[in-house]
Amino acid sequence: GQQVMQIPQYQHVQEGEDFTTYCNSSTTLSNIQWYKQRPGGHPVFLIQLVKSGEVKKQKRLTFQFGEAKKNSSLHITATQTTDVGTYFCAGTGTASKLTFGTGTRLQVTL
Amino acid sequence: DAGITQSPRYKITETGRQVTLMCHQTWSHSYMFWYRQDLGHGLRLIYYSAAADITDKGEVPDGYVVSRSKTENFPLTLESATRSQTSVYFCASRKSSGSYEQYFGPGTRLTVT
Repeated sequence: GQQVMQIPQYQHVQEGEDFTTYCNSSTTLSNIQWYKQRPGGHPVFLIQLVKSGEVKKQKRLTFQFGEAKKNSSLHITATQTTDVGTYFCAGTGTASKLTFGTGTRLQVTL
Repeated sequence: DAGITQSPRYKITETGRQVTLMCHQTWSHSYMFWYRQDLGHGLRLIYYSAAADITDKGEVPDGYVVSRSKTENFPLTLESATRSQTSVYFCASRKSSGSYEQYFGPGTRLTVT
């Protein structure tokens, strides 16, 4: 079955440092989504990428979809304490099912 | 606009008991989903439904039963709870067309003793 892996599992940064999480799928995806889950909360949709090589920005967050549509990345510039949480990628493959990655937990300290 | 709600938010039950987790959405979304979240596994799909009276298995359906007689409700039943079913359960919904964005409920934390 389709598998989606994320690295790293955990990252601890100081406020102001950059952060990147990577997502890799075992199969080609029709689209990829990113979600953020705050500690104790539920996943919240951030963005969806559809096109090969697509890049989208949301303020300090930059999302990329790979040319082969099998990988993606989320980069946060100059992290803030409000960025704390777990970031999940989720890919839509065959049968239109969404498969979530294992997540990257981000901790930001002052 | 209540959105998507789950009940109960917390539940402790004993091994072998039947327990039902409720999910209700007010958007009339066609699709509804049940996920479980465990450390190290992310979110795993248990069951999903494309419309009322249409349900299908996800990645980890064993030990669970779902039904969807009304568009707005999607209950998840553990027929005979086991300790391995201790988890946080999230319900989600999405529209039938356009963006695949899923909207998640607040979750139910279930402990099976």
